[in-house]
Amino acid sequence: NAGVTQTPKFQVLKTGQSMTLQCAQDMNHEYMSWYRQDPGMGLRLIHYSVGAGITDQGEVPNGYNVSRSTTEDFPLRLLSAAPSQTSVYFCASSPGQGNSPLHFGNGTRLTVT
Amino acid sequence: GNSVTQMEGPVTLSEEAFLTINCTYTATGYPSLFWYVQYPGEGLQLLLKATKADDKGSNKGFEATYRKETTSFHLEKGSVQVSDSAVYFCALSDRASGGSYIPTFGRGTSLIVHP
Repeated sequence: NAGVTQTPKFQVLKTGQSMTLQCAQDMNHEYMSWYRQDPGMGLRLIHYSVGAGITDQGEVPNGYNVSRSTTEDFPLRLLSAAPSQTSVYFCASSPGQGNSPLHFGNGTRLTVT
Repeated sequence: GNSVTQMEGPVTLSEEAFLTINCTYTATGYPSLFWYVQYPGEGLQLLLKATKADDKGSNKGFEATYRKETTSFHLEKGSVQVSDSAVYFCALSDRASGGSYIPTFGRGTSLIVHP
């Protein structure tokens, strides 16, 4: 029972590099989302998806791209990494109903130098 | 828009002390309310939830009651343990303008329990 799986757990990038953070869930959840967590800022929504082929922007989308080609996968792409993107990134999913809680992955700690 | 306000931490307690973490919300609709807990190095996990007014969610000795009249969902535990040390997030889920349910989180409250 894997739940939400994020890879990698840790990543160090140089400014300007690009990379993809992977997220996969095996619960057939329609809703998937990406958050970043920074000290004192709580969780901030980057992008979300309510189903395959549908994505939308959250609170802090600049510098990030997403796609949702399958129900299971929701990768987050950093186009040109900046030090301001140093953070812990969490992927979360849910069935998409109002009273359904989110299921979180264990996070990816990203450092941009 | 929707918002969740939690008391700022850290909250520092001795083992067996009583815990209250305040949470109030603003919502345009009739939201479901949640408490999540984050242990060091892990993602958030659901602690408890309530979906309508006067519902009480409970789990692992923690409780919270959905108070519509005061728009609050305060987290309480009668006797905390060192293992309860974590960050606690209050959240709501409400239907957004596009019809989807988008969660809104508070900033989190760090709890430190000393032996």
